Amino acid sequence: EPEVTQTPSHQVTQMGQEVILRCVPISNHLYFYWYRQILGQKVEFLVSFYNNEISEKSEIFDDQFSVERPDGSNFTLKIRSTKLEDSAMYFCARRLGPAGGYTFGSGTRLTVV
Amino acid sequence: DAKTTQPNSMESNEEEPVHLPCNHSTISGTDYIHWYRQLPSQGPEYVIHGLTSNVNNRMASLAIAEDRKSSTLILHRATLRDAAVYYCILRGRISNFGNEKLTFGTGTRLTIIP
Repeated sequence: EPEVTQTPSHQVTQMGQEVILRCVPISNHLYFYWYRQILGQKVEFLVSFYNNEISEKSEIFDDQFSVERPDGSNFTLKIRSTKLEDSAMYFCARRLGPAGGYTFGSGTRLTVV
Repeated sequence: DAKTTQPNSMESNEEEPVHLPCNHSTISGTDYIHWYRQLPSQGPEYVIHGLTSNVNNRMASLAIAEDRKSSTLILHRATLRDAAVYYCILRGRISNFGNEKLTFGTGTRLTIIP
């Protein structure tokens, strides 16, 4: 069973629409991250989330983006008004504690048309 | 973030050992050396990490130079399933604030020849 599950695996949305991408890590994880990868490009950091607060965000993570953990388990990334350039694979990741590696989900492919 | 340098691509024969190099000449004393790989159409996958000593796990071995300015990921017996992009990443000092992001480069694309 994967430790980080992302839904949906693929989402197609019209430009200007809101999308919510979901990540379901194991409930005792504390450190969460969102990354994205535009087709053929590098994996890019978006935001880190610790103790129910954003701890760091990149320049990509502008006012159109938000994250929350509404019910203590699901971890969501919301894009308020999607643009064509938001088309990418979005990966959720978690880290169990201060040391150790990161576990990534299998990603959500977002296509904005 | 301290920078790493990796070859763009490498090829290896199936069932042979593979040595993937990484240079990180500006590494600081508290930087951990992490390796991840990304198989086609999948998310990055943790492989191994270390600080100063060589490390072994079920997936691979990590050999770290004495001056820590370079490291080598060793796959002992490559299979076709090891074909992926391999990323060498330095991760800084751990804090309690969860902001130790990973900065991915372009990595090394490993091709396994049957």
